[in-house]
Amino acid sequence: EIVLTQSPGTLSLSPGERATLSCGASQSVTTSLAWYQQKPGQAPRLLIYDASDRATGIPDRFSGSGSGTDFTLTISRLEPEDFAVYYCQQYGSPPRTFGQGTKVEIK
Amino acid sequence: EVQLVESGGGLVQPGGSLRLSCAASGFTFSSYAMNWVRQAPGKGLEWVSVISGNARAIYYADSVRGRFTISRDDSKSTLYLQMNSLRAEDTAVYYCARATRGGSGDTDSWGQGTLVTVSS
Repeated sequence: EIVLTQSPGTLSLSPGERATLSCGASQSVTTSLAWYQQKPGQAPRLLIYDASDRATGIPDRFSGSGSGTDFTLTISRLEPEDFAVYYCQQYGSPPRTFGQGTKVEIK
Repeated sequence: EVQLVESGGGLVQPGGSLRLSCAASGFTFSSYAMNWVRQAPGKGLEWVSVISGNARAIYYADSVRGRFTISRDDSKSTLYLQMNSLRAEDTAVYYCARATRGGSGDTDSWGQGTLVTVSS
């Protein structure tokens, strides 16, 4: 099973700042990686698939990069609605797995 | 509009069984892989299982393999999860989620979830 490790666990930032979230895989997943955003009481929302492609309707302040074992989600300028928990998920090799999440909170 | 509606959750004793359903609408159900993902109270997401559009490929998380069975009825546009030998650690909100593109691994549409509580 591929283990995904997200860092940091919590990111405290102010609106307008840049957020950089990391996801490391225990073995290569090539570019078979997605990022999701989840707010309290809501289902997850797909942001990025195939490591760097934005999902439909996702603002361009969200971008993904990386391949192999190291991936990054960047939010260029945080908007108030971006404070949430973010998860990475790999689908390069079954069983599919999620990272433990990074909480982006208001500083 | 894509809609996924889960049902079948509830309170069950350890060792018991439950069958979850996910009714889909707004897309050609048979053309998409479907997933179950769960989230224990206050915890992160855990992928549970996936079934391909033609039901020929099925995978499970190690934590549920041998106890849970995923299936689909394309004539009813419905996804199922049969859960046997339930444990306290299976307590979670269970979401069904549709693959973004046919057989892709990412999922762009999710239901609202159904809560399963395993307790005596």
